[in-house]
Amino acid sequence: QIMLTQQAESLWISPGERVSITCRASQSLLYTDGKHYLSWYQQRPGQTTKALIYHASVRTDGVPTRFIGSGSGTEFTLSIEHVQPEDFAIYYCLQTLKSPWTFGGGTKLELK
Amino acid sequence: EVQLVESGGGLVQPGRSLKLSCVASGFTFNNYWMTWIRQAPGKGLEWVASITNTGGSTYYPDSVKGRFTISRDNAKSTLYLQMNSLRSEDTATYYCTRPLYSGYIDYWGQGVMVTVSS
Repeated sequence: QIMLTQQAESLWISPGERVSITCRASQSLLYTDGKHYLSWYQQRPGQTTKALIYHASVRTDGVPTRFIGSGSGTEFTLSIEHVQPEDFAIYYCLQTLKSPWTFGGGTKLELK
Repeated sequence: EVQLVESGGGLVQPGRSLKLSCVASGFTFNNYWMTWIRQAPGKGLEWVASITNTGGSTYYPDSVKGRFTISRDNAKSTLYLQMNSLRSEDTATYYCTRPLYSGYIDYWGQGVMVTVSS
């Protein structure tokens, strides 16, 4: 199965800063259609899990432009520019290229 | 507005069974695949099962294959997860989710807690 590694379990940042969360896959997530089947999700207490990015770099509807997905092959990054108070949450990457679908271990953004 | 509302969770002894339900609303249920995802307390997310829009095909990871069965009733816009031979490691919050053909999950339910313990 494809393993996804989010190296950082926690990242401590201050509001207004920029942060990058990385996700490394054990094999390329590029499909024959030219798209990467890697998506990013945000979990906040008391709220439903929210999809932020799909195909590695496409923002889902309504997601603020400060959320930026990038990367290719096996290395992917979710960047958040000018972090807002509501962005302190846990972020997961997910690959849906091959079954079984697998998630990264999650990265928690914490207030410095 | 899309809503996914899970029910059926609770405390169950190891080896016993439990059936979860998820009532969907706000979209044409029979047009979409559906998926269950779970999250053990304080842990990450794990894909549990998927079903095609017609219910004709189902998919599972090895960790639950042969013990869990995903099904759906399109007339009732309801998704199910029958869980048999439950183990302590099945203790988790179970989320009903809607994946899209573009390969991501666009809607998640609030989740239902399942605790397997004697």
